[in-house]
Amino acid sequence: AQSVTQLGSHVSVSEGALVLLRCNYSSSVPPYLFWYVQYPNQGLQLLLKYTSAATLVKGINGFEAEFKKSETSFHLTKPSAHMSDAAEYFCAVSAEYGNKLVFGAGTILRVKS
Amino acid sequence: DTAVSQTPKYLVTQMGNDKSIKCEQNLGHDTMYWYKQDSKKFLKIMFSYNNKELIINETVPNRFSPKSPDKAHLNLHINSLELGDSAVYFCASSLAGRADTQYFGPGTRLTVL
Repeated sequence: AQSVTQLGSHVSVSEGALVLLRCNYSSSVPPYLFWYVQYPNQGLQLLLKYTSAATLVKGINGFEAEFKKSETSFHLTKPSAHMSDAAEYFCAVSAEYGNKLVFGAGTILRVKS
Repeated sequence: DTAVSQTPKYLVTQMGNDKSIKCEQNLGHDTMYWYKQDSKKFLKIMFSYNNKELIINETVPNRFSPKSPDKAHLNLHINSLELGDSAVYFCASSLAGRADTQYFGPGTRLTVL
């Protein structure tokens, strides 16, 4: 079975500050890990994914995430927040060649000017 | 061109009614999914079809019946709607066995009064 825990349902940062959204996973098989972003009233958009290649994954809009097996974590970071980053972010896990994604509960990112 | 489309975008209806949500993908994918996002934004898979065959049914009430007339379409029919069915329903698609690369539709917001 697989599961994902996102620590912090709401995160607030100032514009220009570091963004850190936390995700820990549980998986009985080597996982594939994902971060999706959902802007208000829109569908989900893939930010980045880890599929057992490089542990540091770069995604769109300046985001990146690092897979740490020892910590079972896949935290999402961005060096400098922009107002347009305000959205809800979902971490998800699947098995290699699996047939479903299991999502975390989501973290709402607020960016203050 | 829209990759994964859903209709309608918004659906407001009374308890007890029967309604359908349609999903179409033009990506040539073999696998399609339905997810439910509840009021707390928790996103959970409901069904998955591969080449018109059901491969995932996540303990969803049998009032929900997915129908796949062909591999480009996966419609969701809901009988006897209940207040708790109010949610945003997302359709997604991927290549067979590749849940790691899913494309999501824009969502259908269902409100049951």
